[in-house]
Amino acid sequence: LAKTTQPISMDSYEGQEVNITCSHNNIATNDYITWYQQFPSQGPRFIIQGYKTKVTNEVASLFIPADRKSSTLSLPRVSLSDTAVYYCLVVLPFNNAGNMLTFGGGTRLMVKP
Amino acid sequence: KAGVTQTPRYLIKTRGQQVTLSCSPISGHRSVSWYQQTPGQGLQFLFEYFSETQRNKGNFPGRFSGRQFSNSRSEMNVSTLELGDSALYLCASSLDIGELFFGEGSRLTVL
Repeated sequence: LAKTTQPISMDSYEGQEVNITCSHNNIATNDYITWYQQFPSQGPRFIIQGYKTKVTNEVASLFIPADRKSSTLSLPRVSLSDTAVYYCLVVLPFNNAGNMLTFGGGTRLMVKP
Repeated sequence: KAGVTQTPRYLIKTRGQQVTLSCSPISGHRSVSWYQQTPGQGLQFLFEYFSETQRNKGNFPGRFSGRQFSNSRSEMNVSTLELGDSALYLCASSLDIGELFFGEGSRLTVL
């Protein structure tokens, strides 16, 4: 599985848009990019997943350039409750090898009032 | 619908003891995987079960084991506990391959 690199931490203020970039230079043709969010003492929560271009849901947007070697998670108008650790993962869905996610260190986002 | 339920939420053991943690997946989910989270090592994959069969295994010693029952509920066991086994143990379920739904975890403290 492709290794991912993302900033260790980021600070933002309420109401701002936050963009967290993830590098995955060795992504394979069939890999997808997936983002999870984790609050202290809770399990990670799936945010969004995409293969190319742009994916948007009610929580976030995911931008993936044509070469797919990086991706950007965009959180619009963050609030204090968005303070969490965000993990970028490269996964291979729809394969018989099963679920085995490799989490990196994640990005610790701190939203300030 | 109910989420992933893990029990117990907190437990304290002493070195050398063994512990069993339980996970009830979301109804209909047949894949259950386990992760260990520590401040130093982050989130690490332990193993995954699907239809009562271990499908994947992470790089952990044989003291860590698991099983899955016919109703998809899963248990993991750690024998001969060491101080370094203190961690948050997370269970996740999914329909098959794809989005994982995590429980709130079982926090184990080994004294």
